[in-house]
Amino acid sequence: AQSVTQLGSHVSVSEGALVLLRCNYSSSVPPYLFWYVQYPNQGLQLLLKYTSAATLVKGINGFEAEFKKSETSFHLTKPSAHMSDAAEYFCAVSANAGGTSYGKLTFGQGTILTVHP
Amino acid sequence: NAGVTQTPKFQVLKTGQSMTLQCAQDMNHEYMSWYRQDPGMGLRLIHYSVGAGITDQGEVPNGYNVSRSTTEDFPLRLLSAAPSQTSVYFCASSYAGTGREPDEQYFGPGTRLTVT
Repeated sequence: AQSVTQLGSHVSVSEGALVLLRCNYSSSVPPYLFWYVQYPNQGLQLLLKYTSAATLVKGINGFEAEFKKSETSFHLTKPSAHMSDAAEYFCAVSANAGGTSYGKLTFGQGTILTVHP
Repeated sequence: NAGVTQTPKFQVLKTGQSMTLQCAQDMNHEYMSWYRQDPGMGLRLIHYSVGAGITDQGEVPNGYNVSRSTTEDFPLRLLSAAPSQTSVYFCASSYAGTGREPDEQYFGPGTRLTVT
């Protein structure tokens, strides 16, 4: 079984400041990990994914995340926030069970990012 | 490609009514899933399918039925709507992947359902 915990339901930063959204996971098998972004009244869009190829993963819009097995974490960062980054962000885990996940994701509770001018 | 489409966008039901939420994808994806999104709870998996004719339950399947007669369509049926089913429903699809890593899930725009 897998689970995801996102620390902080709301994060507020100033434009140009570092963005750090925290995600910790639990998985009984090697995980696949994802970050999705949801803009108001829209579906989810993939930001980046970890699939064991590299621990530092770069995604779209300048975001990146680092997989730390010892800390069971997959925190999302962006060096400089932009107003357009305001959205809700979801961390998700999928089981790497024999090489397939059947398209099943377990999501965290979500973190709403607010960017102030 | 239209991607993943969902209809309707909004729906209001009375308790006890039934309805079907439609989902279609034109990317020839093997995997399709239904999630519900509730505030503070993220998205939770309702049902999923790994191909036509094959479905299975997710985390919160009670009160919902699915079937998959074609690769393209994956409708979600509410048999007798309850206020607890008020939520935003998302359909998603993906390729089966290479067998060694999952492919990206593509999400539809969602259906906002209110049950009174």
